[in-house]
Amino acid sequence: SAVISQKPSRDICQRGTSLTIQCQVDSQVTMMFWYRQQPGQSLTLIATANQGSEATYESGFVIDKFPISRPNLTFSTLTVSNMSPEDSSIYLCSVERPGGAGDEQFFGPGTRLTVL
Amino acid sequence: KQEVTQIPAALSVPEGENLVLNCSFTDSAIYNLQWFRQDPGKGLTSLLLIQSSQREQTSGRLNASLDKSSGRSTLYIAASQPGDSATYLCAVVSGGYNKLIFGAGTRLAVHP
Repeated sequence: SAVISQKPSRDICQRGTSLTIQCQVDSQVTMMFWYRQQPGQSLTLIATANQGSEATYESGFVIDKFPISRPNLTFSTLTVSNMSPEDSSIYLCSVERPGGAGDEQFFGPGTRLTVL
Repeated sequence: KQEVTQIPAALSVPEGENLVLNCSFTDSAIYNLQWFRQDPGKGLTSLLLIQSSQREQTSGRLNASLDKSSGRSTLYIAASQPGDSATYLCAVVSGGYNKLIFGAGTRLAVHP
């Protein structure tokens, strides 16, 4: 498995501000993923972050709104910029690990964001 | 476009019952399928991973099956316990790099 930590675990922010979420993994991984879970909804992929290259964003998500950094193989950040109440969600990072049954994904504990 | 559906959306059962949670997907060209558990306000815990070439995986009281041709997976929970109460999510990887496409989940409540 993988041990993944996220900071902060939760935050309450004012609209128009930005929040940077950190994701730390206990060992080196090639791909890291950022997901959003809106209230009462399932998870949606925001972007995939590979070390040394720009993140790949899914349809409906743009770099100006969700800039991502991936400075090394154990760490990534997601920034939620110019926040509005619609950005209130749980943000989760995940990593992929090869195992006996294939490439399994493991998730961090999530960051619960409330925008007022 | 791949879509994942989970039935039922919610389930409430007495302790000790054997349960079946269902997951279906529209495009059978999947790389793998993963079942997760999510406790309220928490992250996801991986339960089982089934590769596209496999038919089932087992872990303790959990058994997941995969019928790729019909686009279905089931998660079987034996002898349910109150500690099994959580939301169970099914997700598939298809269409290239390892992007997980999630179902909406089944919210399970097991009462003593």
